[in-house]
Amino acid sequence: DQQVKQNSPSLSVQEGRISILNCDYTNSMFDYFLWYKKYPAEGPTFLISISSIKDKNEDGRFTVFLNKSAKHLSLHIVPSQPGDSAVYFCAASEVGGSQGNLIFGKGTKLSVKP
Amino acid sequence: DGGITQSPKYLFRKEGQNVTLSCEQNLNHDAMYWYRQDPGQGLRLIYYSQIVNDFQKGDIAEGYSVSREKKESFPLTVTSAQKNPTAFYLCASSTRDRVYGYTFGSGTRLTVV
Repeated sequence: DQQVKQNSPSLSVQEGRISILNCDYTNSMFDYFLWYKKYPAEGPTFLISISSIKDKNEDGRFTVFLNKSAKHLSLHIVPSQPGDSAVYFCAASEVGGSQGNLIFGKGTKLSVKP
Repeated sequence: DGGITQSPKYLFRKEGQNVTLSCEQNLNHDAMYWYRQDPGQGLRLIYYSQIVNDFQKGDIAEGYSVSREKKESFPLTVTSAQKNPTAFYLCASSTRDRVYGYTFGSGTRLTVV
């Protein structure tokens, strides 16, 4: 059973507009969330994270929102740029949990068109 | 600069042969991981190791083997028992507080012909 779900396999956005990538989770014990960005034939790179004690974290053009009651987080990219075209993975973990590994979603492929 | 290195970038092997993928890190990380990426499947955990001389199976360990004799190294062997070995393989490492994020290598594309 998938604990972290990214229900949109792909998303297409015009350059300059907002990109919104969504992620849902089922395990209420998750308390730390991350977004990774991955280009083809490369390893994922860390983008932004959020702890469950917050509901928003910003880093430049990237903002992550967390809605704990809905078990939902989203990544906003404003404004979107062609270089943002990549696969974005949502990941979650339970800090202090016995296993402690990150659980990844299946990814959303973002295409930003000029 | 510290980092995590996977080699080779591309690897071709004949069906039925074992092949070993290299992963080395100089980040002084305790934990290391192997993932496999297939189209539409996301990142699937093969094996992970939290400390030298210890490792655990992930979600898709069948047909794979690993060793962790040194902190810096975590090689993955794809055996002939792996039914569908052609894939993109990613190695990662993290600190003891591993839940705060992983550092990934650049990956190895394995093609079995």
